[in-house]
Amino acid sequence: ETGVTQSPTHLIKTRGQQVTLRCSSQSGHNTVSWYQQALGQGPQFIFQYYREEENGRGNFPPRFSGLQFPNYSSELNVNALELDDSALYLCASSTAGQSPTNEKLFFGSGTQLSVL
Amino acid sequence: GNSVTQMEGPVTLSEEAFLTINCTYTATGYPSLFWYVQYPGEGLQLLLKATKADDKGSNKGFEATYRKETTSFHLEKGSVQVSDSAVYFCALSEGYSTLTFGKGTMLLVSP
Repeated sequence: ETGVTQSPTHLIKTRGQQVTLRCSSQSGHNTVSWYQQALGQGPQFIFQYYREEENGRGNFPPRFSGLQFPNYSSELNVNALELDDSALYLCASSTAGQSPTNEKLFFGSGTQLSVL
Repeated sequence: GNSVTQMEGPVTLSEEAFLTINCTYTATGYPSLFWYVQYPGEGLQLLLKATKADDKGSNKGFEATYRKETTSFHLEKGSVQVSDSAVYFCALSEGYSTLTFGKGTMLLVSP
């Protein structure tokens, strides 16, 4: 049990629709990262939020956007869904300011998104 | 850019066999290296890590040594159990909370 919860666990959408995925961070964690894990692949970094501001972004188009709220919960929004967006979406929370030596990410169990 | 390459699976072993999962990396600087494990239906869990050359990370009988000269971080365990069946991901980080993962290696251990 990592203390990071994601909802919903599964979701089915059709091409062109929009989707919002939610993540509740572990208590005390002010940084959240989102990853996309396609079937048979490793997770790929989408973006990171720190204190409600985007703090780094991977190679994903602008139709992938996010929000972080004052209570450090977070949303991932994807517009104009494409078939290739079908994947497991993982969020991970951490405490910024720690060096990578002491850093530990806590991952949620993910939201499985299927785009038909 | 950064990248991680790990051996393709599935790796199929009998209980108590020796495990090696190979991992090599490419990075521009001096990354920290990690192994994560993903059990069915669950998120990723940190298994072990190493932050500088020649460091050895270890946990639950698993070990990996940071080899800068060969840019490798191979995962080993002397005697696997059925409960070790999972997908294992090698990863590197050169920044806070941003990980670059390999594609994962599925391990299947039979009794």
